[in-house]
Amino acid sequence: EAGVTQFPSHSVIEKGQTVTLRCDPISGHDNLYWYRRVMGKEIKFLLHFVKESKQDESGMPNNRFLAERTGGTYSTLKVQPAELEDSGVYFCASSQGWSGNYGYTFGSGTRLTVV
Amino acid sequence: QKEVEQDPGPLSVPEGAIVSLNCTYSNSAFQYFMWYRQYSRKGPELLMYTYSSGNKEDGRFTAQVDKSSKYISLFIRDSQPSDSATYLCATKGGGYQKVTFGTGTKLQVIP
Repeated sequence: EAGVTQFPSHSVIEKGQTVTLRCDPISGHDNLYWYRRVMGKEIKFLLHFVKESKQDESGMPNNRFLAERTGGTYSTLKVQPAELEDSGVYFCASSQGWSGNYGYTFGSGTRLTVV
Repeated sequence: QKEVEQDPGPLSVPEGAIVSLNCTYSNSAFQYFMWYRQYSRKGPELLMYTYSSGNKEDGRFTAQVDKSSKYISLFIRDSQPSDSATYLCATKGGGYQKVTFGTGTKLQVIP
């Protein structure tokens, strides 16, 4: 079974530019999550999709962040325009079931550096 | 105050030692408790999960939850160099509630 795939693995962009991160969840996983870890801090929740619907987007920092999951398959997270404080590692995870009680399966993350 | 507090370490132990990793949490609504292991440049990997209070054992790993004191523990017996990683405690409430992570404890097991 293929795991959660994220790309790019690394991205270095200048402040003000746009970056789009992509996540391909495990096939059949209806739940897809985005998390972020900034340096020295804990991994923090951004949002949760159930199929193509946003179940919870309470963790999205501001309106510069836009997440989509068209057709309930892969998801994209766009940051436009990027700011220095957006640097960090962005993780995507997916799970079966309504609560993720079986635990998330995480991707390896996208390391974003805004300079 | 963070919802989940975890000592970031680093923690360095000799091979074969018993390792104790701990977290405290503040939200009494948390029902599910998890430990993730994260190797460098990889995503977190679920190691163990428990529901409510109690113990759970899986091989060399034992997870304990004490809801009365809001205390979460992970014990690793006969630690191996391959156990060297960052260990993240995590909690969540029921339903669709998000998972809240601790900062992680970096563990190094020295051969």
